[in-house]
Amino acid sequence: GDSVTQMEGPVTLSEEAFLTINCTYTATGYPSLFWYVQYPGEGLQLLLKATKADDKGSNKGFEATYRKETTSFHLEKGSVQVSDSAVYFCALYLSYTGGFKTIFGAGTRLFVKA
Amino acid sequence: GAVVSQHPSWVICKSGTSVKIECRSLDFQATTMFWYRQFPKQSLMLMATSNEGSKATYEQGVEKDKFLINHASLTLSTLTVTSAHPEDSSFYICSASHAQETQYFGPGTRLLVL
Repeated sequence: GDSVTQMEGPVTLSEEAFLTINCTYTATGYPSLFWYVQYPGEGLQLLLKATKADDKGSNKGFEATYRKETTSFHLEKGSVQVSDSAVYFCALYLSYTGGFKTIFGAGTRLFVKA
Repeated sequence: GAVVSQHPSWVICKSGTSVKIECRSLDFQATTMFWYRQFPKQSLMLMATSNEGSKATYEQGVEKDKFLINHASLTLSTLTVTSAHPEDSSFYICSASHAQETQYFGPGTRLLVL
């Protein structure tokens, strides 16, 4: 079935370190892929997305490239800040007749130390 | 951006009682609302999808008589956990959508059943 697997956390980094959070997926067809971020006490927010193979989504210094050959959508940021501390969810968007569904990975908690 | 609220943010109840959780889209009309359940350190699990004015579509394994969903207007959906038991304790999250591929998430409701 359709699923998303992302690396377990927590991930702890020092400020200005490079971040990678791995995400792979299994899906029929050609899904869209998303990264959501959840800051403490808040709801999930869309961080970035990519709708087809080789697309690169980017926002707030974060990037992820839709790799169909490796079924991956890894999240990267060149220099993290303390304010990036949050939980990050990789997600798969599936469209079907009459609606759509989003399947989430388990989430990866990121701690950034000053 | 679009805002989705949930009420209450947390609730404690006795076993056997029913609990209602509200999800509101504050500044847009949501044609579709989703209800998720999240266990500690796990992914968001989709429970059901509801479209305004029609019956909710429940995911496999989710008891529709246990988790009653009502989407009576374009800005309000409710989830009622009937005859709650300790195993129903969880974090419940709603999201609202007015367009394909777009979801706005509420901050979640933490339910503890004693």
